[in-house]
Amino acid sequence: SAVISQKPSRDICQRGTSLTIQCQVDSQVTMMFWYRQQPGQSLTLIATANQGSEATYESGFVIDKFPISRPNLTFSTLTVSNMSPEDSSIYLCSVAQELNSPLHFGNGTRLTVT
Amino acid sequence: QKEVEQDPGPLSVPEGAIVSLNCTYSNSAFQYFMWYRQYSRKGPELLMYTYSSGNKEDGRFTAQVDKSSKYISLFIRDSQPSDSATYLCAIGQGAQKLVFGQGTRLTINP
Repeated sequence: SAVISQKPSRDICQRGTSLTIQCQVDSQVTMMFWYRQQPGQSLTLIATANQGSEATYESGFVIDKFPISRPNLTFSTLTVSNMSPEDSSIYLCSVAQELNSPLHFGNGTRLTVT
Repeated sequence: QKEVEQDPGPLSVPEGAIVSLNCTYSNSAFQYFMWYRQYSRKGPELLMYTYSSGNKEDGRFTAQVDKSSKYISLFIRDSQPSDSATYLCAIGQGAQKLVFGQGTRLTINP
């Protein structure tokens, strides 16, 4: 399966600031997604990163708060904007080689907002 | 009612025991059934993947799907300390549109 690298692996940020998380895959993939994993909770899909067009956001997530880019088939970024302590979470990049192939995950970015 | 329910545990068993992990779901349209293993400070790792119904075996791991009861299971035979992790079930209509369970934290004691 593809090797997925996320940067940074962790960060501590001040409220009101923004953080951009990068996801790099070692091979071209059709589908890329961003998930959030809050402490003691299940994974929640934030959005599907679409190459060359606007991301598709799930209910409860908006582009102004979580802008996403996907310039090509191997790279995507997620920005967490105007952060508050409630944004403290693990953010995970996931990929699928093609439609209806299983998801694979990166190791996540552990974000703490103070 | 949540779409996918998973007992969060924690579950602690002795080395060599058979472990049974379970999830229930509510949407009868779900066709894709996954189990992921997540070690501390790591991302989820795909362990088992089943489409539609039936059983699937891979080494010490067996995944079962009972669509009539909307119930899936993961069995681990001859459990090892290295199996200590959080196990997440993930179920959906598509392989990518998944609803994840809360995860069961498992500890195998030597």
